[in-house]
Amino acid sequence: AQSVAQPEDQVNVAEGNPLTVKCTYSVSGNPYLFWYVQYPNRGLQFLLKYITGDNLVKGSYGFEAEFNKSQTSFHLKKPSALVSDSALYFCAVRETGAGRRALTFGSGTRLQVQP
Amino acid sequence: GAGVSQSPSNKVTEKGKDVELRCDPISGHTALYWYRQRLGQGLEFLIYFQGNSAPDKSGLPSDRFSAERTGESVSTLTIQRTQQEDSAVYLCASSLGTGGSYEQYFGPGTRLTVT
Repeated sequence: AQSVAQPEDQVNVAEGNPLTVKCTYSVSGNPYLFWYVQYPNRGLQFLLKYITGDNLVKGSYGFEAEFNKSQTSFHLKKPSALVSDSALYFCAVRETGAGRRALTFGSGTRLQVQP
Repeated sequence: GAGVSQSPSNKVTEKGKDVELRCDPISGHTALYWYRQRLGQGLEFLIYFQGNSAPDKSGLPSDRFSAERTGESVSTLTIQRTQQEDSAVYLCASSLGTGGSYEQYFGPGTRLTVT
């Protein structure tokens, strides 16, 4: 069975500082990994994904994530946070191959960027 | 182009009534997914459709839940004899296929409140 853990319910960071939102996963085989962001009263928006290749993945709005197979992690990062980055962030995993087709999501991390 | 749309955006119903939720996927997307998001929680997979293949219903929580999809277009999620624990936001997503590299695009959701 596949699972995702986001150990922090909330992350607080000052505007202009770097941010990290943590995610660890568990799958039987190789993972496909995704980050989504949810703004208030809006649906989830895709940020970035890891499929294969370079461990550092760059996505929308200046976000990036680093895939670490040995630590089974896929932490989301941004060098300089903006107040407008404040939102709910979800990490998701899907096992490659003929496994379950749907994504398994973490419980979400609320990012609060203070001016 | 147009994104995934869902209707209604909000639905309040009395316990015991049936409700029907609608999803219009992005044109050309062969895969369609339904998820449930309870307040303060992550997304819970319900069901997915891929072309003419049999749907994966493994996430449906009870036999009160059912869903249909007409070809590769509209899908409806039906909840019979609603219960208070069914109160949640129901999210629909579509993707070009169910290959793991395809990201899912989400609609804005239907907020269901069972009184």
